[in-house]
Amino acid sequence: SAVISQKPSRDICQRGTSLTIQCQVDSQVTMMFWYRQQPGQSLTLIATANQGSEATYESGFVIDKFPISRPNLTFSTLTVSNMSPEDSSIYLCSVDIQAPNEKLFFGSGTQLSVL
Amino acid sequence: SQQGEEDPQALSIQEGENATMNCSYKTSINNLQWYRQNSGRGLVHLILIRSNEREKHSGRLRVTLDTSKKSSSLLITASRAADTASYFCATFSSGTYKYIFGTGTRLKVLA
Repeated sequence: SAVISQKPSRDICQRGTSLTIQCQVDSQVTMMFWYRQQPGQSLTLIATANQGSEATYESGFVIDKFPISRPNLTFSTLTVSNMSPEDSSIYLCSVDIQAPNEKLFFGSGTQLSVL
Repeated sequence: SQQGEEDPQALSIQEGENATMNCSYKTSINNLQWYRQNSGRGLVHLILIRSNEREKHSGRLRVTLDTSKKSSSLLITASRAADTASYFCATFSSGTYKYIFGTGTRLKVLA
């Protein structure tokens, strides 16, 4: 299994500012996944972060808005830049480390509200 | 949209009854998984079924997979109030190396 520490757990931010979310895993993992969950909705994949290379973004998500860092095999950050109220969501990091592609482990999420 | 569809969107049952939720997906997959989410926080993995399997059991959970119809179902037997949560299916494809989540079913079990 994996223990994923994600912080902050929640934040209230002003329009136009940026927030960086941190994700720390207790073991080395190759791939980390960042998801967004808008209120009452399902999870949408933002990007896949592979250590040592640029993150791969999904359609509708761009690096300027959601820059991701992956400095080592246990840590990643997602920044939500120039925030607007439409960015209010839960942001989740996850990894799959058990028999690759068998299951995802999730952090507890970051509840972001933008005023 | 990449997402699979789940139905029903919401389900309310009495404690002790069975709950069935369905998931349909669009592309070829390696496996399909079901997750539970309490109170909009991190998801917890429940059960996995591989593309060459038709049925899996784990405790009170039974999952089926029909790859010809690109659909899966999750059955929770003898439900409990603690089963109240949102349930999501997720498909994994090695071709894209992505986990794609369905739209989810909100289950409420009344004591």
